[in-house]
Amino acid sequence: RKEVEQDPGPFNVPEGATVAFNCTYSNSASQSFFWYRQDCRKEPKLLMSVYSSGNEDGRFTAQLNRASQYISLLIRDSKLSDSATYLCVVNRGAGYSTLTFGKGTMLLVSP
Amino acid sequence: ETGVTQTPRHLVMGMTNKKSLKCEQHLGHNAMYWYKQSAKKPLELMFVYSLEERVENNSVPSRFSPECPNSSHLFLHLHTLQPEDSALYLCASSQKLAGQETQYFGPGTRLLVL
Repeated sequence: RKEVEQDPGPFNVPEGATVAFNCTYSNSASQSFFWYRQDCRKEPKLLMSVYSSGNEDGRFTAQLNRASQYISLLIRDSKLSDSATYLCVVNRGAGYSTLTFGKGTMLLVSP
Repeated sequence: ETGVTQTPRHLVMGMTNKKSLKCEQHLGHNAMYWYKQSAKKPLELMFVYSLEERVENNSVPSRFSPECPNSSHLFLHLHTLQPEDSALYLCASSQKLAGQETQYFGPGTRLLVL
């Protein structure tokens, strides 16, 4: 089983749609969780951290289920500028940050 | 504007060449990382330096040699590379804290080995 597994994508959605990304991780000792965004030919950038209680940032909502080792990202009212690859990222230990990345799910928002 | 810079942005080299990638972070962080991103693969962690000491080396071939002279600079020395080493090499930095520290990435060096 891969350490971090994501929907293969790509997701093609119209503007204004709601889209959900799913992610599972294999290491139950994982400490912290993130969603990063990577635009084409650019570096990954942190979109949001994911907390056990779930958290929201504007149109973005992240959820974590530790029992199921499952993470999700919901984007409401999609914009053209949301087109990017979304990376599920897990920090597998305490101390220095050792991140394990999923392959990413590409989102294409069309007019 | 990213606080992590990388040079060069693009590099083409032959298999017998020696070159170095440079990374500099302006964020006051104390941990730095090298990652490799190949097409259709997830980012792979190569090396971690924490407080200028290498703390992780993920079974990377010896033709990749990292160097961290201080907390702001990180190098990746390359020699006798193979075509399969062609990839995007990303540097990142973070502040070493237990818990939710964020890694900030540089723009990457796109490497082509001929």
